[in-house]
Amino acid sequence: DAGVIQSPRHEVTEMGQEVTLRCKPISGHNSLFWYRQTMMRGLELLIYFNNNVPIDDSGMPEDRFSAKMPNASFSTLKIQPSEPRDSAVYFCASSLGATGGYSNQPQHFGDGTRLSIL
Amino acid sequence: GESVGLHLPTLSVQEGDNSIINCAYSNSASDYFIWYKQESGKGPQFIIDIRSNMDKRQGQRVTVLLNKTVKHLSLQIAATQPGDSAVYFCALLQGGSEKLVFGKGTKLTVNP
Repeated sequence: DAGVIQSPRHEVTEMGQEVTLRCKPISGHNSLFWYRQTMMRGLELLIYFNNNVPIDDSGMPEDRFSAKMPNASFSTLKIQPSEPRDSAVYFCASSLGATGGYSNQPQHFGDGTRLSIL
Repeated sequence: GESVGLHLPTLSVQEGDNSIINCAYSNSASDYFIWYKQESGKGPQFIIDIRSNMDKRQGQRVTVLLNKTVKHLSLQIAATQPGDSAVYFCALLQGGSEKLVFGKGTKLTVNP
């Protein structure tokens, strides 16, 4: 079975450039999550969607970060302009969520995008 | 806000031994708990979950114990194998939302 698919797996770019990370959730899952993982801060939730609608974006660091989910099978996380402190591994996860919470279903993660901003 | 802590950042065991990884949490309203395994270069992989109406759940070679009185969660791995070497995270769901709160992880090393 296909899991969560992320692209690219690795991205190296210079500061100031726009970065777009992509995610395809597991078919049938209706909740999608973007996380960032660093050694210092661990796994941090950036934003999550339910039925393609952003529910909580309180973890998005600043206006340079934006996320979209135009349909049930695709989401993007964009950083513009990128900065060296954005270097991290970015994960996408999906689950069979419930509107209003309390679905109590596990989130399934992709293998991440390792982002390096020079 | 919720916080999730781990008792040990690293754990080293001999192949064939049983491993126990512990986790403490602070919010008594949390009602869903998950253990994840993360290998190098990969995303967290779901291992086992437990709901607050249970105190024990078993999977293949793994058991999760939940003690709501002391807000403690543990993962037991039986007959640990080299392939079990990874970082293990506990996570819990904040009541009323889909937001998982993760602990900082325990690195398990299995020595042959």
